[in-house]
Amino acid sequence: GIQVEQSPPDLILQEGANSTLRCNFSDSVNNLQWFHQNPWGQLINLFYIPSGTKQNGRLSATTVATERYSLLYISSSQTTDSGVYFCAVLSRDDKIIFGKGTRLHILP
Amino acid sequence: DAMVIQNPRYQVTQFGKPVTLSCSQTLNHNVMYWYQQKSSQAPKLLFHYYDKDFNNEADTPDNFQSRRPNTSFCFLDIRSPGLGDAAMYLCATSRVTEGDEQYFGPGTRLTVT
Repeated sequence: GIQVEQSPPDLILQEGANSTLRCNFSDSVNNLQWFHQNPWGQLINLFYIPSGTKQNGRLSATTVATERYSLLYISSSQTTDSGVYFCAVLSRDDKIIFGKGTRLHILP
Repeated sequence: DAMVIQNPRYQVTQFGKPVTLSCSQTLNHNVMYWYQQKSSQAPKLLFHYYDKDFNNEADTPDNFQSRRPNTSFCFLDIRSPGLGDAAMYLCATSRVTEGDEQYFGPGTRLTVT
């Protein structure tokens, strides 16, 4: 089946820094979504982005479907950005697959 | 606000004692999902409903069952919880098809004693 790999697995940054999180997938997908899981466990929608680029405040995402990757950019990090970031894809055979996530720590 | 609600937020049950987790939505979405997430792991899809059509993932244990009596509500029944079933259980919805954007509830953290 399709493989979804996220990198880096862990990232520690100072407040104010910028970061790029990556999601690679091994086959074509029908959609891709980025989530932030907060310390209480809730998954918060960031972007629904099967292709192209979207921006929402300090966050933006780009998916290049033909090259099978997506990037999540976080600018001017804040401590509230800490948590785990997941990408999830819908494979062409309708399987929903999550990556293992990137754990982000923003230090004050 | 339209949302996905899960109750209870924390549930403690005894080994082997049946437990039911509930999920409701005010989004009027066609699709409802149940995920299991163990500590430091990614969410794993257990099953989903498209309207009343039930879709079980191949590796979901028989111990896990689900009911969707109407569009708004979906239940997860664990018939005989084992210690390995302790996890966060996440409910999600999507609007029309399985390919649409998913919206998650806050989750229920299950402890098995």
